[in-house]
Amino acid sequence: EPEVTQTPSHQVTQMGQEVILRCVPISNHLYFYWYRQILGQKVEFLVSFYNNEISEKSEIFDDQFSVERPDGSNFTLKIRSTKLEDSAMYFCASKNEGGSGNTIYFGEGSWLTVV
Amino acid sequence: GQQVMQIPQYQHVQEGEDFTTYCNSSTTLSNIQWYKQRPGGHPVFLIQLVKSGEVKKQKRLTFQFGEAKKNSSLHITATQTTDVGTYFCARQGGKLIFGQGTELSVKP
Repeated sequence: EPEVTQTPSHQVTQMGQEVILRCVPISNHLYFYWYRQILGQKVEFLVSFYNNEISEKSEIFDDQFSVERPDGSNFTLKIRSTKLEDSAMYFCASKNEGGSGNTIYFGEGSWLTVV
Repeated sequence: GQQVMQIPQYQHVQEGEDFTTYCNSSTTLSNIQWYKQRPGGHPVFLIQLVKSGEVKKQKRLTFQFGEAKKNSSLHITATQTTDVGTYFCARQGGKLIFGQGTELSVKP
């Protein structure tokens, strides 16, 4: 079964450092997402991406965050200057059609620890 | 607004007992999805409900969508230790908006 893959699985970084989380969505999917989950809390939407541009973003997704699809397969989330409160599990997700008609598939997540 | 409220936050049951989690919205939902997240894992899609009053079953799991399309429930009959995890409802309109989740623990 096709799956969304994410790297790294776990990253520890110093506060203020830049972090790039990488994702390879399912190959025929067109809509890409980043979600985050602080330990013990619910999954929160960060950003959606379609046709090489951000289609929607949440209040969490401020200027320190950016996303990019540098080639035909990767989808990255960059955090420019990490803060302690950025420590969370970051999930990449994808689906192949718009609207509410299709399943969103999640990757296994990248656990970010900011120290 | 777009939030979905989910209760209870935690549920501890003895293996073999039933379990139910409830999801509520103040506004009408076009659909409701349910996900399961095992401890340390990622959300895995279980089902989507679209129609008013819809009921769907997956083995021991029964999913319901309210007549007014403002609430939904997931019921597990005769829980097993493999049912352990957090169950989230989510509304989808492009992006997913998750409820807070119900963490289920099952004592053997």
